[in-house]
Amino acid sequence: EAQVTQNPRYLITVTGKKLTVTCSQNMNHEYMSWYRQDPGLGLRQIYYSMNVEVTDKGDVPEGYKVSRKEKRNFPLILESPSPNQTSLYFCASMDREGYEQYFGPGTRLTVT
Amino acid sequence: DQQVKQNSPSLSVQEGRISILNCDYTNSMFDYFLWYKKYPAEGPTFLISISSIKDKNEDGRFTVFLNKSAKHLSLHIVPSQPGDSAVYFCAASATGGSQGNLIFGKGTKLSVKP
Repeated sequence: EAQVTQNPRYLITVTGKKLTVTCSQNMNHEYMSWYRQDPGLGLRQIYYSMNVEVTDKGDVPEGYKVSRKEKRNFPLILESPSPNQTSLYFCASMDREGYEQYFGPGTRLTVT
Repeated sequence: DQQVKQNSPSLSVQEGRISILNCDYTNSMFDYFLWYKKYPAEGPTFLISISSIKDKNEDGRFTVFLNKSAKHLSLHIVPSQPGDSAVYFCAASATGGSQGNLIFGKGTKLSVKP
C-alpha cells in the first residue's frame, strides 16, 4: 500500500529536549515536505526537499532542521523545542512530475 | 500577508444540496490549484485540482471553477453527503517557483447535515 508514515504520532516533551520526528514514504517520490497545522493558520510549510541531499526552507523554518540522506526518509529535527512549536505536524511526498502531495497521518507534538 | 485566502471558516449545508467553498489568491504567478480534504486525526487527502489553462475541472460530485481575472476559485459539491463533512483546504502553486511549494489557505470546515 502506497503511504507516508510518521513516527511518533503523539509526543509530549519538555522545552530544550532534542527530538526527531521521522517520515518515510514507499512511493519512490523525489519530493518531500514538512508542514505544521495550527488553529486559524492552516497548513504552513516548514522545509521541503526536491531530492536526496537537496533541502530548502519553507515559510516557517525557524527552530527546525531536516536532512535527506535517503530518498524514502525525511526526518524533522527540533534541536531545542520550545512551547511555540506545539503543533500538529504533517509530512508529505510527491512525484516530481505531479502536483498532488500525499500526506502522512500527522504527529501531534506538545512542548511544555 | 496571506497569498491564499479562505474567508469562510465554516459552512453548513443540508444533505443533498450544493456546497460551495470559495478561495481567493493574490499572487498572479500561481498557475496550479488544488483542493484537499481533511478528516480529524488524519492527514489531508487530495481531492481535485485545476491548471490555470482551464476554467473548470470536474470529478464526479466535485467541480472546481477558476476565475483568473478575479483570482478566485470555488469547489462545488453536488449533491452534498454527510461523509463530505470535513475541513477543506485550498492550495496554490507557481510552476515558475519551487515545484511542490504549495501555499495553503486556512481551511473551511464543511458540515453536511442529514
